[in-house]
Amino acid sequence: GQNIDQPTEMTATEGAIVQINCTYQTSGFNGLFWYQQHAGEAPTFLSYNVLDGLEEKGRFSSFLSRSKGYSYLLLKELQMKDSASYLCAVKDSNYQLIWGAGTKLIIKP
Amino acid sequence: GAVVSQHPSWVICKSGTSVKIECRSLDFQATTMFWYRQFPKQSLMLMATSNEGSKATYEQGVEKDKFLINHASLTLSTLTVTSAHPEDSSFYICSARDLGGAGNSPLHFGNGTRLTVT
Repeated sequence: GQNIDQPTEMTATEGAIVQINCTYQTSGFNGLFWYQQHAGEAPTFLSYNVLDGLEEKGRFSSFLSRSKGYSYLLLKELQMKDSASYLCAVKDSNYQLIWGAGTKLIIKP
Repeated sequence: GAVVSQHPSWVICKSGTSVKIECRSLDFQATTMFWYRQFPKQSLMLMATSNEGSKATYEQGVEKDKFLINHASLTLSTLTVTSAHPEDSSFYICSARDLGGAGNSPLHFGNGTRLTVT
C-alpha cells in the first residue's frame, strides 16, 4: 500500500529552527508537496520538490531524497504565526496526491 | 495568485435535508476539481474528482448517490450532500489546478465549508 509518515506533533520555540520530516512509500513518484494548514482553514501551498536537493524559499526550505523516500521541511526564525499543521503530499505514478496525516507544530514564546 | 472561492463557509442543517456547496475558480479555468473531507485532527481524504462535462470519479467507499457532484463549467463545481446525517458533519474542501499551469503545479484550495448536521 501507499504510505506517508510524518510526526504527529512537534513543539519549538519562537525564533528557533525546526525540521519536519516526511517519509513515503508510494507506487511511483512525480513530486512532493508541502502545505501549511491553520486550524479551521484550507491548506496553502508552501513548496514543491521533484528532484533531489534543497529548495529554499525565504524562511522555509524543503529537501528531497528520492532514493531514501524522504523529505523534510525546514522552518527558520520561527514566528508564532507558524503554529499550524504541515502536510506532506506525494504525487504517485498515476499523478494522484497521497496525503500524510500532517504534523501539528506548536510554537512557544 | 490563483483563487478558489468556496461557499458557504459554514452551514448547519437538519438531518435528512440536503446541502449544496459551491466551488469556483475565480481567475483561472479548471478542467478538474477535487473534493476533500477532513475530520478533526485528521488528514485530507479525497472524496471525488470532478471533471468538467463528464461524470465525477469517486473514491472507494464514497457513495456517489449521497454526494452528488456537478461540474457544469470550467470554473464551477458543486457538491450536494443529500439526506444529510450527523455523521456527515465534517470540513469539506475543494481544490483545483490551473488548466494553464504545468502538470505539477500546486493545487489551489477553497477556504472550506464546515458542515454541521443536527
